[in-house]
Amino acid sequence: DAGVTQSPTHLIKTRGQQVTLRCSPKSGHDTVSWYQQALGQGPQFIFQYYEEEERQRGNFPDRFSGHQFPNYSSELNVNALLLGDSALYLCASSLGGRNTEAFFGQGTRLTVV
Amino acid sequence: AQSVAQPEDQVNVAEGNPLTVKCTYSVSGNPYLFWYVQYPNRGLQFLLKYITGDNLVKGSYGFEAEFNKSQTSFHLKKPSALVSDSALYFCAVRDGAANFNKFYFGSGTKLNVKP
Repeated sequence: DAGVTQSPTHLIKTRGQQVTLRCSPKSGHDTVSWYQQALGQGPQFIFQYYEEEERQRGNFPDRFSGHQFPNYSSELNVNALLLGDSALYLCASSLGGRNTEAFFGQGTRLTVV
Repeated sequence: AQSVAQPEDQVNVAEGNPLTVKCTYSVSGNPYLFWYVQYPNRGLQFLLKYITGDNLVKGSYGFEAEFNKSQTSFHLKKPSALVSDSALYFCAVRDGAANFNKFYFGSGTKLNVKP
């Protein structure tokens, strides 16, 4: 049973560019959340997708957008990259419910230069 | 609003000794509490959770956590530390008032277990 998979694992982009990160949830999971983890900090919630819709959003600008596909996989898009967007981006999947833990992928390390 | 505090940036312990990693929380409703571990350049691995029931929760790799409602704490413990336990540990609280998984993470505690 494959866990949560993210691609790519590492990425280097230039300021102002756009980036797309991808996530495949754990088999049987229908909910995907994205988190940003800056160096030395805990993960910060970006947004969550369920049934192909954004269900809730954290305190991130509109430059951050996402999508969920019918197979529950998801993309995170970041436009007009800033140096401060450099971070580990984590995807977490879960089964839409109140008491379930989330399973995290290994993350995508984004470096903006 | 939900929040989690991990008061120690780093905890040092000798192999074979018991370890405790501290976490306090603030929630507006019932607390749904979690511990995750992160190894270098890796994602987060689930260790254990408290939803309801016994205050002592047992999890993976011999870890356990004690829920204390009066002190709003959820400390992670292990009776005998291993060098391989060295990693970054995150406490998290889930928004219990909502019907979806949104976690609020602490800033993390680096555990160093010395041989």
